[in-house]
Amino acid sequence: DAGITQSPRHKVTETGTPVTLRCHQTENHRYMYWYRQDPGHGLRLIHYSYGVKDTDKGEVSDGYSVSRSKTEDFLLTLESATSSQTSVYFCAIKGQARIDTQYFGPGTRLTVL
Amino acid sequence: AQKVTQAQTEISVVEKEDVTLDCVYETRDTTYYLFWYKQPPSGELVFLIRRNSFDEQNEISGRYSWNFQKSTSSFNFTITASQVVDSAVYFCALSEAQGSGGGADGLTFGKGTHLIIQP
Repeated sequence: DAGITQSPRHKVTETGTPVTLRCHQTENHRYMYWYRQDPGHGLRLIHYSYGVKDTDKGEVSDGYSVSRSKTEDFLLTLESATSSQTSVYFCAIKGQARIDTQYFGPGTRLTVL
Repeated sequence: AQKVTQAQTEISVVEKEDVTLDCVYETRDTTYYLFWYKQPPSGELVFLIRRNSFDEQNEISGRYSWNFQKSTSSFNFTITASQVVDSAVYFCALSEAQGSGGGADGLTFGKGTHLIIQP
């Protein structure tokens, strides 16, 4: 157990509404990540963070923004949700060293109607 | 650009059979890390193994074994004497050590292999 929680675990929203997903960790890990999982695509990196206020884009960042104002929380925001953002979102953490392994949170299932 | 290919979309075997899941990767880096994760029907992602590019020794953990061959860019996973509890989606993933972003090095995943173990 890497001490990662995600909230909410399930959410249904409508097209055009803003949505924020939260990833919370309790073990002071430096690196945090957001991935999305879609059938036929595996997991794809959306954004990542390498420290407080240090974030960068991943492979599929369009339509998403992130913020990390403190070590333990990494927020993913969909400014105006679209049906193509219906997915399962996973947060991951990695320790202090570059070679450390990523461990994943339980996931958030988001449905955009 | 890095890429991970899991050509087997779905495999179905009868319990106690051995099964091998294939993973082929592409990278320009000389230093990289390979991973296998398991996703059971409950949906969480469970880390199984990490291998760095300098360590080609095969690894065995109970009924699980991994065969890393740089010459063929493959990192295959074998389950011996499969059990129903092994039924899951298995993902192979790659991380390049020379990536940008302060060492964050996001993972590139294959599309996964759905393994079904029939009783």
